[in-house]
Amino acid sequence: DAGVTQSPTHLIKTRGQHVTLRCSPISGHKSVSWYQQVLGQGPQFIFQYYEKEERGRGNFPDRFSARQFPNYSSELNVNALLLGDSALYLCASSSPDSPLHFGNGTRLTVT
Amino acid sequence: GDSVTQMEGPVTLSEEAFLTINCTYTATGYPSLFWYVQYPGEGLQLLLKATKADDKGSNKGFEATYRKETTSFHLEKGSVQVSDSAVYFCALGDTGNQFYFGTGTSLTVIP
Repeated sequence: DAGVTQSPTHLIKTRGQHVTLRCSPISGHKSVSWYQQVLGQGPQFIFQYYEKEERGRGNFPDRFSARQFPNYSSELNVNALLLGDSALYLCASSSPDSPLHFGNGTRLTVT
Repeated sequence: GDSVTQMEGPVTLSEEAFLTINCTYTATGYPSLFWYVQYPGEGLQLLLKATKADDKGSNKGFEATYRKETTSFHLEKGSVQVSDSAVYFCALGDTGNQFYFGTGTSLTVIP
């Protein structure tokens, strides 16, 4: 079975630009979560979506937004990029009786 | 709010040595507890989990017991191998399936 897939794997953007990151969950998983992992730190919760509805939001500014599609895939959008947004962005999918399964992440570098 | 405090690294051990990585948590409800492992350039992989007090999670020789009285979930392995070199994250999952991660402990096992 395919795991959680994320694209792109690496991305370089300039301050002020916007970025869209994509995630496909494990087949059968209806919940997708996004996490930001800054180098040397643990992942920090950004969003959780279930059945296309936002179920949770972490302490991130409104520049961060996300959505989930009917096929349960998801996009994370970040506007007006700052240098501090440079991080590994992790997507995770889950079902009610399973823990989080993570993808390999998108490495975003903002210059 | 919910949080996880994890033993800081890095930790360097010789092959076949005993490993302990300490983890304590703060939670308002009855969370599930997890250990995730991250290899270089990859996302997080679930190592083991425990869903209620006194549960013991185990996998690949690693063990951790959910101790409600000490709010702890320490990771142990009796004999580490070079292939165990990675970063280990303790995590707490609340009833809404939002996860809180520790800062990670880097383990290097030398032959």
